[in-house]
Amino acid sequence: DGGITQSPKYLFRKEGQNVTLSCEQNLNHDAMYWYRQDPGQGLRLIYYSQIVNDFQKGDIAEGYSVSREKKESFPLTVTSAQKNPTAFYLCASKKGRSSYNEQFFGPGTRLTVL
Amino acid sequence: SQQGEEDPQALSIQEGENATMNCSYKTSINNLQWYRQNSGRGLVHLILIRSNEREKHSGRLRVTLDTSKKSSSLLITASRAADTASYFCATVLVGSNAGNMLTFGGGTRLMVKP
Repeated sequence: DGGITQSPKYLFRKEGQNVTLSCEQNLNHDAMYWYRQDPGQGLRLIYYSQIVNDFQKGDIAEGYSVSREKKESFPLTVTSAQKNPTAFYLCASKKGRSSYNEQFFGPGTRLTVL
Repeated sequence: SQQGEEDPQALSIQEGENATMNCSYKTSINNLQWYRQNSGRGLVHLILIRSNEREKHSGRLRVTLDTSKKSSSLLITASRAADTASYFCATVLVGSNAGNMLTFGGGTRLMVKP
């Protein structure tokens, strides 16, 4: 099966801890994205990557970090600097650079800070 | 900042009725996309309409785009209980080279009663 996987599905973090959310895709897509979704809201872009070893900040990058060492993987670290990290995090990927290609989304990780 | 705003925020209809959701945006776009999200899940791409298109169909879905009014609508005909979900519009801005990033609206939560 081709697709995007995210793990874990649920994650609990104590204040002051860093946590890393996993995102893997076997679609051979070049671009990958991380979004944050708060209850009843739309998605906001955290980081994106169009190519291995390169990534760019989105609208709300503060308190987050990413890496793109492999085409298939785009992990997101939520650092202790993120003031309000409790949210639903969605990873997506897209083929090529065309703006007319759709994004494919993973099932999401729900992060709760205790 | 969110580029798109959906209206209404919530919609409740009976099975068999049509559902219409509207999306307004602020700046010129390359294309507009509609996505669906079941509760607590990832997003699924429904349809993409380019800025030079006025209407597009896919099964029971009909999307219109009015660039002069900076608005789009999604019509779901003969709705089913399984259509219950949140629907989001997302835009790709003209001249966007920022990974052709999508900017999402806040979504319309549709409930179809059997």
